[in-house]
Amino acid sequence: DTGVSQNPRHKITKRGQNVTFRCDPISEHNRLYWYRQTLGQGPEFLTYFQNEAQLEKSRLLSDRFSAERPKGSFSTLEIQRTEQGDSAMYLCASSLFLGQETQYFGPGTRLLVL
Amino acid sequence: GQQLNQSPQSMFIQEGEDVSMNCTSSSIFNTWLWYKQEPGEGPVLLIALYKAGELTSNGRLTAQFGITRKDSFLNISASIPSDVGIYFCAGQILPNSGNTPLVFGKGTRLSVIA
Repeated sequence: DTGVSQNPRHKITKRGQNVTFRCDPISEHNRLYWYRQTLGQGPEFLTYFQNEAQLEKSRLLSDRFSAERPKGSFSTLEIQRTEQGDSAMYLCASSLFLGQETQYFGPGTRLLVL
Repeated sequence: GQQLNQSPQSMFIQEGEDVSMNCTSSSIFNTWLWYKQEPGEGPVLLIALYKAGELTSNGRLTAQFGITRKDSFLNISASIPSDVGIYFCAGQILPNSGNTPLVFGKGTRLSVIA
């Protein structure tokens, strides 16, 4: 299976700790997206990359959040000084943008901040 | 900001029945996508629509891109127990406008009674 993969699948942390999530997109997909999903809601956009360039960040992405895609392949999302409100499912999606695109999602990382 | 109104919020149906759900928006989209999400997993793409008026099928699923570009519907025929899950619509505005993130509805939770 060469779909989008995310690690870890689950993370439990204490408030104030830093966490980092990884996303490996579908090979050769040039766009990579991060979304956050809370219970009973659809995914909400956080940020996206085209190759290694971070092109857009949502207002949801506070300064405690940072994302990188250093070589245009995998990406990491780091949350510093976690808060209980950060508890959510963090989803990664990738696409091959050629004028149109279809985003394919990974299985997500579920974060619980105690 | 853009919002998608997805209805119904939930459905309980008998196995074998047909299902219909829809999404409406105040904004024009040039792409509509339908995803299915099961507990603890990421959304899985069902159908992608790229042209107003387009009608596309994927097995027992049929989706249409509304002619006004502000709505879409998904039909499931002859439902089976494995159709259980949350169905999300997602819209995307013109990619070359620089604003490409998907906007999701809140989902339709489908329960199938055998």
